[in-house]
Amino acid sequence: DAMVIQNPRYQVTQFGKPVTLSCSQTLNHNVMYWYQQKSSQAPKLLFHYYDKDFNNEADTPDNFQSRRPNTSFCFLDIRSPGLGDAAMYLCATSIIGSGANVLTFGAGSRLTVL
Amino acid sequence: AQRVTQPEKLLSVFKGAPVELKCNYSYSGSPELFWYVQYSRQRLQLLLRHISRESIKGFTADLNKGETSFHLKKPFAQEEDSAMYYCALSPLNTGFQKLVFGTGTRLLVSP
Repeated sequence: DAMVIQNPRYQVTQFGKPVTLSCSQTLNHNVMYWYQQKSSQAPKLLFHYYDKDFNNEADTPDNFQSRRPNTSFCFLDIRSPGLGDAAMYLCATSIIGSGANVLTFGAGSRLTVL
Repeated sequence: AQRVTQPEKLLSVFKGAPVELKCNYSYSGSPELFWYVQYSRQRLQLLLRHISRESIKGFTADLNKGETSFHLKKPFAQEEDSAMYYCALSPLNTGFQKLVFGTGTRLLVSP
């Protein structure tokens, strides 16, 4: 009954080789988020979409981009991964206006950069 | 600046012992506070939020604005409580869950 699905669960890429991580949801939530969690660190918000409205965090590097072609899908593109981008990437969703304003997380995509 | 501090990386207790996972925060406005939990091989999920004032799985947390704390407590720990616990805050009334997380505390409950 997974409702926020991330693919792939594990991604290995080479230094500088672009990578795309995907997130899909069956909840019809209007907000989708991408968090980055490096080893032993707190999850850190990269950006979020409210419907088609993209909101970037001020300190998110330009190397990270996102696309949301429809309500169900959101992609994280890393244009030129560096060793420091190795992390777990968490997708989450929420819905504004329902009163139950909490995050539903996916299982995460672990990125390794060689 | 917004910040959440969880001073303990690991908390190890015996079954039946009381548990308190500490969380302090720094925020200039009125935040909403949460505890999220991640059990082994499972995804991060909400445990409780201060607005609800609920007890979930025997856990409670009280927001203390004077001490800027939101400690998580349970009077009698169970083995199934072993997990990673994250304290988080979000600005109140924005609608968005732009959470600022702490670094987490791993709770290990031994038989």
